[in-house]
Amino acid sequence: DGGITQSPKYLFRKEGQNVTLSCEQNLNHDAMYWYRQDPGQGLRLIYYSQIVNDFQKGDIAEGYSVSREKKESFPLTVTSAQKNPTAFYLCASSIMRDSGNSPLHFGNGTRLTVT
Amino acid sequence: AQSVTQLGSHVSVSEGALVLLRCNYSSSVPPYLFWYVQYPNQGLQLLLKYTSAATLVKGINGFEAEFKKSETSFHLTKPSAHMSDAAEYFCAVSTNDMRFGAGTRLTVKP
Repeated sequence: DGGITQSPKYLFRKEGQNVTLSCEQNLNHDAMYWYRQDPGQGLRLIYYSQIVNDFQKGDIAEGYSVSREKKESFPLTVTSAQKNPTAFYLCASSIMRDSGNSPLHFGNGTRLTVT
Repeated sequence: AQSVTQLGSHVSVSEGALVLLRCNYSSSVPPYLFWYVQYPNQGLQLLLKYTSAATLVKGINGFEAEFKKSETSFHLTKPSAHMSDAAEYFCAVSTNDMRFGAGTRLTVKP
């Protein structure tokens, strides 16, 4: 079955360390996204990518970085510059970004805890 | 720019009762509207979407939503709640950029 795989499901890191969250999709979707979810705040867009080797900042990109070297993969690095990194991170994909009627397909998320 | 407001961060109903989750949107152009459901520690799943074909949209698990342009609303309903409906529900609006509401947590009491 096609879908989005995020790994690991739970991740623990010490403050000051960079950490990379994995996201792989086999849906052949062009667009991929990273969202951060905090209680009571809905989903906030961190980064998105419409094609390989291209990505754009979302609303809360500070302290994060991404790469898109392959169509299937869109890893997110949470850097030590991110002031409050503990959150639930969701990766999503869609057929095309600029087509407003394309729904997003989500992975099952990675819960990151930084102490 | 578009935005979504979900009225009520928490809704509680009894099993068998009507479910009504409210969503109002703001958009300068005709929008596409979506409802997603999220179970604990999982990603979001698409419940239904409005793409202007019909104002009453039927989704999975017996849910439906009605697009009312005059009220800028897209409320989600289900005639009879089931225990398995307990989850968090997100309304989203999209033109070329999808924006989510803050979510409504639905609790179903036996």
